[in-house]
Amino acid sequence: GDSVTQMEGPVTLSEEAFLTINCTYTATGYPSLFWYVQYPGEGLQLLLKATKADDKGSNKGFEATYRKETTSFHLEKGSVQVSDSAVYFCALSDLNSGGGADGLTFGKGTHLIIQP
Amino acid sequence: GAVVSQHPSWVICKSGTSVKIECRSLDFQATTMFWYRQFPKQSLMLMATSNEGSKATYEQGVEKDKFLINHASLTLSTLTVTSAHPEDSSFYICSARDGGGAGGSRQYFGPGTRLTVT
Repeated sequence: GDSVTQMEGPVTLSEEAFLTINCTYTATGYPSLFWYVQYPGEGLQLLLKATKADDKGSNKGFEATYRKETTSFHLEKGSVQVSDSAVYFCALSDLNSGGGADGLTFGKGTHLIIQP
Repeated sequence: GAVVSQHPSWVICKSGTSVKIECRSLDFQATTMFWYRQFPKQSLMLMATSNEGSKATYEQGVEKDKFLINHASLTLSTLTVTSAHPEDSSFYICSARDGGGAGGSRQYFGPGTRLTVT
């Protein structure tokens, strides 16, 4: 079945540091890829997405590129802020997986802590 | 942006009782809602897909008789955990999919419900 693997946390960085959170996937079909963010006490919010190979999703300074050859969708940001502290989830949606239509397969989440 | 609410946000119940969790899309209609379960330090696991006016589609390994899902309207889906046991204690999260726009449909997540069965 489909699966998503992302780096274990917590990840602790200083403000203005460069961020990379690795994410790789396995899928039976041709999935769409997502990054969701969960701020403390809030529900998951879509951060960015990409629907085909070589697409780059971007939002709020975060970027991720759909790499089919390496089955990866790593999240990057050039200069993090304290307000970026949250849990980040990589996810995929594979309509050919046989599961619920558009149901998402999530990674375990990476807790990001940014220190001032 | 679109808002999805869940009620209650947390609940404690005794073993053997049933608990109902509501998921509402507040400012849009959702023909499809999803129910997820999240264990501590684990990923969200899709439990079922709820379609308005029809039976839910359950993922493999999810007991449909234990986790009853009702999607009676375009803005409300309910998950009832029947005869709850301590192993059902978890964080339950719903999402609602909107009709889509130029960027396609997307899922909006509720804040989750913490269930503790004693």
